[in-house]
Amino acid sequence: NAGVTQTPKFQVLKTGQSMTLQCAQDMNHEYMSWYRQDPGMGLRLIHYSVGAGITDQGEVPNGYNVSRSTTEDFPLRLLSAAPSQTSVYFCASSLSGPAPYGYTFGSGTRLTVV
Amino acid sequence: AQSVTQLGSHVSVSEGALVLLRCNYSSSVPPYLFWYVQYPNQGLQLLLKYTSAATLVKGINGFEAEFKKSETSFHLTKPSAHMSDAAEYFCAVSDRAGTASKLTFGTGTRLQVTL
Repeated sequence: NAGVTQTPKFQVLKTGQSMTLQCAQDMNHEYMSWYRQDPGMGLRLIHYSVGAGITDQGEVPNGYNVSRSTTEDFPLRLLSAAPSQTSVYFCASSLSGPAPYGYTFGSGTRLTVV
Repeated sequence: AQSVTQLGSHVSVSEGALVLLRCNYSSSVPPYLFWYVQYPNQGLQLLLKYTSAATLVKGINGFEAEFKKSETSFHLTKPSAHMSDAAEYFCAVSDRAGTASKLTFGTGTRLQVTL
C-alpha cells in the first residue's frame, strides 16, 4: 500500500544511547519532515527536507540529525538520547510542500528514554 | 509569523449532536489552513484544507469548515456526531506554499462522543 512507513513502532532507550528512526515513502514525494508530538503541545517540526541531498532545521532540532540520500528515505538519528526526547515521533511527506497539498503521515514511533 | 489557537482542549458532544471545534489563526498574509484528525495510536490524517478557493470547504466523513477572514477563524463543524468521530483534531496554518511552506499546528482538541 502506498504511504509512509515508520519503524520501529515502539522503542525504549537508555540515556546516552543512540538510535535511528526509519521513515520511507513510496509516493515519490519530494518533501519530507519529522515531527514530535508531546501532550498539550501539538506537533513540533524537528527537521525537514525539500529533496534528496537537502535538509534543514525546524523548530526543535537539537539532539537530532537527519540526512536524505534518496527520495524515498528520511531517517532521524538521535545522537545521545535524553529523557526529554521521550515522545511520539511522526514522519510526514508531501508532494512539494505541506501547503497546499497537505501531508501524508506515518503511524508514528513511540520512544521512551529512561 | 503564523500561529494557531484551538479553543478547548476537550469537547464532549452527544451522538447526533452538532460538532463545533474552534480554530483561530494569525497570519500576515492570506493563509493556507488545514484540519487533521488523529485516531488513537495512529498518525494524522488530512480532513480538509482551505487554499483560497471556496470559503466553505467540505472534507471527509461529513466534516466541513468555513474560512472567515474578518474573524481570522477556520472552525470545523459536523451536523451530527457519530461515535466513530471520537478522536483528536488539529488545526494547522501555513503562510507560504510549496517548498517554503511550514505548517504550524495547534495544540489539538480531543472530541468525545457520548451515547
